[in-house]
Amino acid sequence: DADVTQTPRNRITKTGKRIMLECSQTKGHDRMYWYRQDPGLGLRLIYYSFDVKDINKGEISDGYSVSRQAQAKFSLSLESAIPNQTALYFCATSDPRGSTDTQYFGPGTRLTVL
Amino acid sequence: SQQGEEDPQALSIQEGENATMNCSYKTSINNLQWYRQNSGRGLVHLILIRSNEREKHSGRLRVTLDTSKKSSSLLITASRAADTASYFCATPDSGAGSYQLTFGKGTKLSVIP
Repeated sequence: DADVTQTPRNRITKTGKRIMLECSQTKGHDRMYWYRQDPGLGLRLIYYSFDVKDINKGEISDGYSVSRQAQAKFSLSLESAIPNQTALYFCATSDPRGSTDTQYFGPGTRLTVL
Repeated sequence: SQQGEEDPQALSIQEGENATMNCSYKTSINNLQWYRQNSGRGLVHLILIRSNEREKHSGRLRVTLDTSKKSSSLLITASRAADTASYFCATPDSGAGSYQLTFGKGTKLSVIP
């Protein structure tokens, strides 16, 4: 199922570099989310967007920024990467027209900061 | 914000056995969801149970919800090796208009062939 895609799938970078993770969706959903997953800590919300003009900080937004270029695209940037940002990053979408909050996840980006 | 907490953290069973994992949460909810994550992959929605439901079935999955105890359980019957994955419960964050989900830390299930 390629409704939510993420690029790149794997990335190794060095401390201090700026990197961008991209997410695209063909589900037509207005809501998009960025999470990071660390072993033993579950998923933590970084940023979320309810539409192109609405961006909100999540639980752990420090050190990250986002851009919602279109309904279908939501990018996550690490302005100056640091080793503790090494994690698995997921993009997700949801449909505000639904009566639930079911989210649909991309395959993830594994980021390593050296 | 509230958080679901799964129990146990890890579970290992033989193929064909049933697997039960539990989730507890802190405040009132209008629904609770279960997701599965195969190793290193994205989460996949399994089943949703609403606050006015006590039990729900989907194939080999059975979910129960006890709002008085603020707990839910996920039962996988007749487990298969392909069920090996991590399972997460998720609850809407009512403080944000129920448009965010808060995920627990997950139960890692291993099904031994």
